Amino acid sequence: NAGVTQTPKFQVLKTGQSMTLQCAQDMNHNSMYWYRQDPGMGLRLIYYSASEGTTDKGEVPNGYNVSRLNKREFSLRLESAAPSQTSVYFCASSEGGNWSEAFFGQGTRLTVV
Amino acid sequence: RKEVEQDPGPFNVPEGATVAFNCTYSNSASQSFFWYRQDCRKEPKLLMSVYSSGNEDGRFTAQLNRASQYISLLIRDSKLSDSATYLCVVNRGYSTLTFGKGTMLLVSP
Repeated sequence: NAGVTQTPKFQVLKTGQSMTLQCAQDMNHNSMYWYRQDPGMGLRLIYYSASEGTTDKGEVPNGYNVSRLNKREFSLRLESAAPSQTSVYFCASSEGGNWSEAFFGQGTRLTVV
Repeated sequence: RKEVEQDPGPFNVPEGATVAFNCTYSNSASQSFFWYRQDCRKEPKLLMSVYSSGNEDGRFTAQLNRASQYISLLIRDSKLSDSATYLCVVNRGYSTLTFGKGTMLLVSP
């Protein structure tokens, strides 16, 4: 049972390069999320998709775009990477609803130099 | 005021100790509440939901006080394996979870 799968696990980018982080879940969940985690800052929501076909900004959306490709997949794109985007990125999914558990992928460690 | 605030930690305790974590939230319309656990360099995982009546799961007890907008987690008889960061999490509705910065627990022999 794979759960939430993120790729890649590690990435180094040069400033100005672009990349897409991929996320897929096999639990038939309605909602999917992208978070970033920085030391001393905790997890901060970048974008979320409450259901297939919808996406909304979270707390820190600047510099990112997302696509909910289908119910399973939710990608995060950095169009022009900046050193401030060096972080650990987590994708998560849940059934949706107030008491749903969120399941997280293993994270992508991104360094922008 | 931050939306979810936790004790900054770290908490260093010996095995067998009882330790309590506190959390406050600012949005009185918050719908549901959780504690997640995160091991070093791993993803967060649900530890337990927090219900208004309080709930217990083995050595772990969670309490919610909606009037004070306060959540707590009590760990009794700490084990080495309890060493981790504990994240207080609030659901504001619309399927969005807001995380506190976490409190690190270090249990020593």
